[in-house]
Amino acid sequence: KAGVTQTPRYLIKTRGQQVTLSCSPISGHRSVSWYQQTPGQGLQFLFEYFSETQRNKGNFPGRFSGRQFSNSRSEMNVSTLELGDSALYLCASSLNRGLEKLFFGSGTQLSVL
Amino acid sequence: DQQVKQNSPSLSVQEGRISILNCDYTNSMFDYFLWYKKYPAEGPTFLISISSIKDKNEDGRFTVFLNKSAKHLSLHIVPSQPGDSAVYFCAASEGTYKYIFGTGTRLKVLA
Repeated sequence: KAGVTQTPRYLIKTRGQQVTLSCSPISGHRSVSWYQQTPGQGLQFLFEYFSETQRNKGNFPGRFSGRQFSNSRSEMNVSTLELGDSALYLCASSLNRGLEKLFFGSGTQLSVL
Repeated sequence: DQQVKQNSPSLSVQEGRISILNCDYTNSMFDYFLWYKKYPAEGPTFLISISSIKDKNEDGRFTVFLNKSAKHLSLHIVPSQPGDSAVYFCAASEGTYKYIFGTGTRLKVLA
């Protein structure tokens, strides 16, 4: 069974641009969550999607948004990029909602210049 | 406000000895805890979990202990192996379907 796939692996953007990251969950998994990892901050929760609906949101500005498609694939978008948005963005999937272990992708490393 | 704290950014242990990684939390409503391991250029992988109704859970070389009164959990790895060298994250949830992660502890197992 294929794992969680995130594309692209690396991205370089400049301030003010926008970016879209993609995540394909494990087949059959219906819940997708996004996390931001920066040095010294650990993994910060961005949002969670289930059945194409955002179910939970972390403390990030509105520039960060996402969506989930009917096949459970998810995208996240960051508009008006800032230098501080440079981070590793991780997507995780689980079979359903609830207290289940998350399966993470390898992440997208975003650098904002 | 960091609700889940891993106060040791790094730890070095000799191969064969015990590794103890610690995690403290502030939210008494947390009722489910997990440990993840992360290698460079890879996503975190699940190691072990524990529910708040338990105080210990074992899986092979890995044991997690939970002290609810102290709001503290620890991960014990016995015996430690060089392949265990990675960054370890603890995470907690209060049933809101989102996990709060700590900042991680980098474990280095010396051969």
